[in-house]
Amino acid sequence: DTGVSQDPRHKITKRGQNVTFRCDPISEHNRLYWYRQTLGQGPEFLTYFQNEAQLEKSRLLSDRFSAERPKGSFSTLEIQRTEQGDSAMYLCASSFGVDYGYTFGSGTRLTVV
Amino acid sequence: DQQVKQNSPSLSVQEGRISILNCDYTNSMFDYFLWYKKYPAEGPTFLISISSIKDKNEDGRFTVFLNKSAKHLSLHIVPSQPGDSAVYFCAASDPSNYQLIWGAGTKLIIKP
Repeated sequence: DTGVSQDPRHKITKRGQNVTFRCDPISEHNRLYWYRQTLGQGPEFLTYFQNEAQLEKSRLLSDRFSAERPKGSFSTLEIQRTEQGDSAMYLCASSFGVDYGYTFGSGTRLTVV
Repeated sequence: DQQVKQNSPSLSVQEGRISILNCDYTNSMFDYFLWYKKYPAEGPTFLISISSIKDKNEDGRFTVFLNKSAKHLSLHIVPSQPGDSAVYFCAASDPSNYQLIWGAGTKLIIKP
């Protein structure tokens, strides 16, 4: 197992375009999280899945954002009609539970121009 | 409203000495506290955690102390090594919504 994988590593898009990111978690982990990080800040929670069920969504996740985890394995995060304020690092993590920590991927850096 | 605060943006420590990173929180309902380390262009890496029912957890060179009455935790690294140079994040688990709430991070620089 190579850990949590995220694709792509970098994405540059024009304002108004749609983008989709993919996350492949550690196979034994049933929990999957999406976070967003901007420069000089800690990660901010976006959403959380337990298996295929999306159990929690942050108010940061506007209606332009949607996340899926169709079979309880990989997950996708889609941003529609991107805005410049969406530029950030999008981090995916997976875990068994909190006390063992989350394993993060290397993130997808989105730049909206 | 920042629920988790790391008030020192950076810290410089001599190699071999002790590094102490601090974190304050406001929500007494947090049940776990975690420290992560982050190198540039990589995701955060889990270091160590502590349950709210404990006051100390140790793992090799890393020890986390929790003072619930002061709503304060700290990470001690002894001895500090050059590879410890990174940004360290404190995070707290909110059991009501499965979220980790993060501090803004402290950049640790280990001087030779």
